[in-house]
Amino acid sequence: AQKITQTQPGMFVQEKEAVTLDCTYDTSDPSYGLFWYKQPSSGEMIFLIYQGSYDQQNATEGRYSLNFQKARKSANLVISASQLGDSAMYFCAMRENGGGFKTIFGAGTRLFVKA
Amino acid sequence: NAGVTQTPKFQVLKTGQSMTLQCAQDMNHEYMSWYRQDPGMGLRLIHYSVGAGITDQGEVPNGYNVSRSTTEDFPLRLLSAAPSQTSVYFCASSYSDQSAYEQYFGPGTRLTVT
Repeated sequence: AQKITQTQPGMFVQEKEAVTLDCTYDTSDPSYGLFWYKQPSSGEMIFLIYQGSYDQQNATEGRYSLNFQKARKSANLVISASQLGDSAMYFCAMRENGGGFKTIFGAGTRLFVKA
Repeated sequence: NAGVTQTPKFQVLKTGQSMTLQCAQDMNHEYMSWYRQDPGMGLRLIHYSVGAGITDQGEVPNGYNVSRSTTEDFPLRLLSAAPSQTSVYFCASSYSDQSAYEQYFGPGTRLTVT
């Protein structure tokens, strides 16, 4: 069965430093996608980055990169040069290609960026 | 494009009342879904649709009904509201059910059942 685990309920980072948000997953489907979403205090869900299970390289989108370790079933989000506007909840999610449209989400990590 | 829109933004219901949460998208996406977000639990899938006339249950479907008569609209109906349905509800749409396609989320509806 699909499962997403985010073990860090809250994280603090100093402005301009890098931070890693952890995500581990479990699936028996060899073909799947991993997503990270940001939810600021205003409540909307913002897509950040995607990694496919067959992608050879780690995904990057601007200051966001995904540290994908397939054998360890981890998909950690790395935010470089943190900004005050990065303070938000971050959710890791997974969708199996053989699972129809079902996407499951982790419980989230709240990131606090300190000035 | 307006993207995914949801109405209302806030709603208070009494136990036993019924209501419909509206969701619409203008991106011609086939795939739409409803999630609820509770503190400490992330988002959980309630129902989803892979096209007009086709719906299926997600992880937590009890107490909710959906229909999909058009590609654009995917309303969520609460038949008899209960305090356990107090939550934030998100509608989302996607171009495809393949894993490479991200979902676009609406702004959410905050529902309180007293």
